[in-house]
Amino acid sequence: DVKVTQSSRYLVKRTGEKVFLECVQDMDHENMFWYRQDPGLGLRLIYFSYDVKMKEKGDIPEGYSVSREKKERFSLILESASTNQTSMYLCARRASYEQYFGPGTRLTVT
Amino acid sequence: LAKTTQPISMDSYEGQEVNITCSHNNIATNDYITWYQQFPSQGPRFIIQGYKTKVTNEVASLFIPADRKSSTLSLPRVSLSDTAVYYCLVGEAGNQFYFGTGTSLTVIP
Repeated sequence: DVKVTQSSRYLVKRTGEKVFLECVQDMDHENMFWYRQDPGLGLRLIYFSYDVKMKEKGDIPEGYSVSREKKERFSLILESASTNQTSMYLCARRASYEQYFGPGTRLTVT
Repeated sequence: LAKTTQPISMDSYEGQEVNITCSHNNIATNDYITWYQQFPSQGPRFIIQGYKTKVTNEVASLFIPADRKSSTLSLPRVSLSDTAVYYCLVGEAGNQFYFGTGTSLTVIP
């Protein structure tokens, strides 16, 4: 059974805090993704990575950065959290055409 | 990056066949068509994928006409547990995909 785990299901942070969202996969796949999902806007791609230390911007990278030091771990970083970053964050890894998603982290920034 | 157009929402009664059509006029030669299903508070999960003609698995069928500018996901005899959001994606294996807003299917008892 494929596993993509995210460090927290629910997270509450204050405006201006630095936030780390961790994602770990249990397979040796190169491609990993971070999305955010908001009502009426669907899933939007923030960043993705094709391999260790490689990263590419998605559709909405502003306000975010990522880190991929090991193949199994892909971290999303909010340098200074803002209220408009309150959202559901989904991590995924991909094998060929099929993406496997984690359970998501619902982040609230107050 | 090829984008897709789907209906925003659909309703269906239990036991009926549901067809969700997706438009992808700018599909490229190397693009495949992939459908995902998402339940509330979960990440999307893969349902089916195809390149042309028809593909069937234990969950759904995917119909793709010769020009490949559209595709139809067919769910046979839906049940309440099929209530979910369905996403149509097109792209190559090595590229990122555009999920969009998907189609919210509500199955009515």
